[in-house]
Amino acid sequence: QKEVEQDPGPLSVPEGAIVSLNCTYSNSAFQYFMWYRQYSRKGPELLMYTYSSGNKEDGRFTAQVDKSSKYISLFIRDSQPSDSATYLCARKRGETSGSRLTFGEGTQLTVNP
Amino acid sequence: DTAVSQTPKYLVTQMGNDKSIKCEQNLGHDTMYWYKQDSKKFLKIMFSYNNKELIINETVPNRFSPKSPDKAHLNLHINSLELGDSAVYFCASSPSQGVNTEAFFGQGTRLTVV
Repeated sequence: QKEVEQDPGPLSVPEGAIVSLNCTYSNSAFQYFMWYRQYSRKGPELLMYTYSSGNKEDGRFTAQVDKSSKYISLFIRDSQPSDSATYLCARKRGETSGSRLTFGEGTQLTVNP
Repeated sequence: DTAVSQTPKYLVTQMGNDKSIKCEQNLGHDTMYWYKQDSKKFLKIMFSYNNKELIINETVPNRFSPKSPDKAHLNLHINSLELGDSAVYFCASSPSQGVNTEAFFGQGTRLTVV
């Protein structure tokens, strides 16, 4: 079983839609979770970071962690064509191990104008 | 001012050749990484160095040899290239301590083995 599983999509939505991206993880000891966004032909960049259950909001983006069901979600409100990218969920192994990340497979999102 | 820079950006080479990818970061981080992204966009860690010392070595063929001359540089040398080595290789860096140790990625090196 993969440590982090993510539906690769692709996902195509109209502009203005609410987007829900989801991941599941296998080890309940995981504490730190991240969402990275990767535009085509670019490196991943950190979008959201959370290390607890509940919601974390940043503008149009909300990251949600449900530790009881081992579920990680990213919600995008009022989606824009500029949100078209691959979204990668990741977990970080521990606090003192730098940023060694285990990624999900990534979900390719297209927001159509 | 590029934070994490890799060279070359594109690399096309024949099977059996030896090639190197260079990476430099100007963020003052003491931990650097190599990740490999396959054609399905799956990103997986290969190596991690902390202050020039290898701390993570995933199950990577020994044809791949990282070298860190100093904590701002981490190069990747690949011997006897195979078709399956075709992928995008990303260098990254981060602080080694703290809760929010965000990893900064380079632009990637797209390696094609023919």
